[in-house]
Amino acid sequence: EDQVTQSPEALRLQEGESSSLNCSYTVSGLRGLFWYRQDPGKGPEFLFTLYSAGEEKEKERLKATLTKKESFLHITAPKPEDSATYLCAVQAGSGYSTLTFGKGTMLLVSP
Amino acid sequence: DTGVSQDPRHKITKRGQNVTFRCDPISEHNRLYWYRQTLGQGPEFLTYFQNEAQLEKSRLLSDRFSAERPKGSFSTLEIQRTEQGDSAMYLCASSSLEGGGIEQYFGPGTRLTVT
Repeated sequence: EDQVTQSPEALRLQEGESSSLNCSYTVSGLRGLFWYRQDPGKGPEFLFTLYSAGEEKEKERLKATLTKKESFLHITAPKPEDSATYLCAVQAGSGYSTLTFGKGTMLLVSP
Repeated sequence: DTGVSQDPRHKITKRGQNVTFRCDPISEHNRLYWYRQTLGQGPEFLTYFQNEAQLEKSRLLSDRFSAERPKGSFSTLEIQRTEQGDSAMYLCASSSLEGGGIEQYFGPGTRLTVT
């Protein structure tokens, strides 16, 4: 059974204080690992897809990396508007493309 | 805006009533998914359509739940005889087989409260 574990559950940062979120996964044949951002009361917003170990993707202050067992979402010099829940999900190579999500990391960036 | 849309955004119902939600995917996306999300949890897969065919259903989808996508465009999710445990955010997502992309794009969700 595919499993995704995210840590920490919650993270509070000061504006400008860089940090990383972790996503550990167990999946039979990874087809893709996804990062989403979710604001309260809204649907998840797609950020990145990573396909293979060693791959990296960047968008503004966010950088996602992937190894064979985990992914990191690095946040450089965060701003208050980066406050949200960040969700990690995996898609197995077999099956019908459904996503298995972690519980998310709730990030709060204080000014 | 050509994103995924869902209607209604909020629904309050009494236990035992039936409810129906609608999802309109991104134009020309042939894959459509339903997920359920409760507070503090990630979305959990419910069911999946490719065009009008329902290809997969989760164990979470009890007999009280039914989903359709009659013309391969919009989809409906119906919950019969609602229970308090059905209270959750119901999310719809779509993706396309074209171009090799596998990303799923989510709608804003329908928040269901069963009293």
